Amino acid sequence: AQSVTQLDSHVSVSEGTPVLLRCNYSSSYSPSLFWYVQHPNKGLQLLLKYTSAATLVKGINGFEAEFKKSETSFHLTKPSAHMSDAAEYFCVVSDPNAGKSTFGDGTTLTVKP
Amino acid sequence: NAGVMQNPRHLVRRRGQEARLRCSPMKGHSHVYWYRQLPEEGLKFMVYLQKENIIDESGMPKERFSAEFPKEGPSILRIQQVVRGDSAAYFCASSPATLSQETQYFGPGTRLLVL
Repeated sequence: AQSVTQLDSHVSVSEGTPVLLRCNYSSSYSPSLFWYVQHPNKGLQLLLKYTSAATLVKGINGFEAEFKKSETSFHLTKPSAHMSDAAEYFCVVSDPNAGKSTFGDGTTLTVKP
Repeated sequence: NAGVMQNPRHLVRRRGQEARLRCSPMKGHSHVYWYRQLPEEGLKFMVYLQKENIIDESGMPKERFSAEFPKEGPSILRIQQVVRGDSAAYFCASSPATLSQETQYFGPGTRLLVL
């Protein structure tokens, strides 16, 4: 069984300040973890993924995430927010024994000028 | 290499009608997944298919919903006798294999509105 909890449904930051989107997961095996971004009325775009290689994963648009097994966390960060980062972000855990991916409920990121 | 394609992008149906959603996976991908996103919610897994096989349909409603991925042509998600609660965005994703390391690539979605 697997599950994902995104701890904040909404995060608001000012442009140029750091972003932290929190994600905790539960899994009975070594998971693969992903972050996707969804802009309004658009599809999902992969930001980054963790697949048991380096625990610090760098993605597109300056985002990165760190896999912490002891804390069962995979938080998404960015040093400096940009207005174009405003979107919905989904943390995803994938079952290695099947094709099913479990999505978190999403975090809406608002970036204030 | 074209990405995952879904059509139509928007679909309006009246209660009781049928909705057919199509998904063409990326070239070389033989695994297709369907997800539903209700308003203000995250994506929920519905079904996972390979060519001519349903691998996991644990997320599919028991009635009115069906999915197929024929040997030739796109994957089809079919909703019979639609109700207002079926209004949602339906996303298709594809991958080249089932390994968890393989990224699922998402299509732009079909937004279904049931009047």
